[in-house]
Amino acid sequence: EIQLQESGPGLVKPSQSLSLTCSVTGYTITSGYDWSWIRKFPGNKMEWMGYISYSGSTNYNPSLKSRISITRDTSKNQFFLQLNSVTTEDTATYYCARFDYWGQGVMVTVSS
Amino acid sequence: DVVMTQTPPSLSVAIGQSVSISCKSSQSLVYSDGKTYLHWLLQSPGQSPKLLIYQVSNLGSGVPDRFSGTGSQKDFTLKISRVEAEDLGVYYCVQATHFPWTFGGGTKLELK
Repeated sequence: EIQLQESGPGLVKPSQSLSLTCSVTGYTITSGYDWSWIRKFPGNKMEWMGYISYSGSTNYNPSLKSRISITRDTSKNQFFLQLNSVTTEDTATYYCARFDYWGQGVMVTVSS
Repeated sequence: DVVMTQTPPSLSVAIGQSVSISCKSSQSLVYSDGKTYLHWLLQSPGQSPKLLIYQVSNLGSGVPDRFSGTGSQKDFTLKISRVEAEDLGVYYCVQATHFPWTFGGGTKLELK
């Protein structure tokens, strides 16, 4: 069974960087598919942040401009999100997903 | 960005009732390969989103056939026949044809 699990700090200070890890089991991330980070803001709004493909190419939401980076460690079957210069507007629940499989989500609060 | 307009924002239903949710996009969602990357997700309370329908009308794994998706180009509908208690939550349409991928605003399905 394919499982994704996010991990990382639940509290980040404004202007700092948010770093999350998605650990994937049951499927090798280099075998196929695009591996995304998606966030849900308080309320219902969902935003696709970007993905890293099975080949290692990336695609980001332009709304995040140069703040975002998605990388991977194929030896650990993990992929990562780094979001720089966070503000309170980045407070959200962050999911890693393959669309047909989702992690449980991690709530990140940006606050001093 | 492609704007996904989802209606209604909320629905109050009785068990056994049938309901439809509309999703309209600001651009055609037909990709250059001829496929339409319009999907439907359900986020049940306290759960991660789950893929219900992919590419307009294909049922996700384990999804009961009470769910059906129709539509083309810019106009799509999710229908739930004979709503059950487990169907309650927030439904999202999402397009993955154009970058950035974008979500509808969500439809909250509640019990009457």
